[in-house]
Amino acid sequence: DAGVIQSPRHEVTEMGQEVTLRCKPISGHDYLFWYRQTMMRGLELLIYFNNNVPIDDSGMPEDRFSAKMPNASFSTLKIQPSEPRDSAVYFCASSFWAGEAEDTQYFGPGTRLTVL
Amino acid sequence: AQKVTQAQTEISVVEKEDVTLDCVYETRDTTYYLFWYKQPPSGELVFLIRRNSFDEQNEISGRYSWNFQKSTSSFNFTITASQVVDSAVYFCALSPFPYGQNFVFGPGTRLSVLP
Repeated sequence: DAGVIQSPRHEVTEMGQEVTLRCKPISGHDYLFWYRQTMMRGLELLIYFNNNVPIDDSGMPEDRFSAKMPNASFSTLKIQPSEPRDSAVYFCASSFWAGEAEDTQYFGPGTRLTVL
Repeated sequence: AQKVTQAQTEISVVEKEDVTLDCVYETRDTTYYLFWYKQPPSGELVFLIRRNSFDEQNEISGRYSWNFQKSTSSFNFTITASQVVDSAVYFCALSPFPYGQNFVFGPGTRLSVLP
């Protein structure tokens, strides 16, 4: 398997524009996570899905952020409109629940977003 | 409120030394998860371990070991015989069971292993 794939790897946009980040999890994984990393706030869990269903989006910073998982092989994180404070590295991760003793998250390479 | 403290901001050791990274957490939950992640200089994130609060057994994986003590709310990580490739930022994290709301990361400890 190619691992978790994220696109684009880098995105530079202007304030007010819509930004869509994409993630393809590892085939067969039933959990998908979106994280954000900034210098100011560190690492944060934004939202996670189980079997394509959003379970907890309490980490999503505000209504400008939305995430979808239309099928088991694809998820998007959208920011509309984008603001400079959204500049961060966004990581996607997936995992397969194999019981309490087993649960490894595999991370994508991240998308570095810069909002000017 | 959930909180994770990694008091060691930076640690430097010489190769082959053992090193322990401290993690202290605060939670009112009776069941929760604890995690460790590694972020090498290249920037990717690597999941190292997840520990359930009801399992206080220590974990060993190769040169890595974890000591979970509920009595002191600590989940410390030890690298035995450190190597240069262990140089990274290590994050401890706390999550309610099963995941989600109030998932909290610590600020990270930067480990430098010198040759």
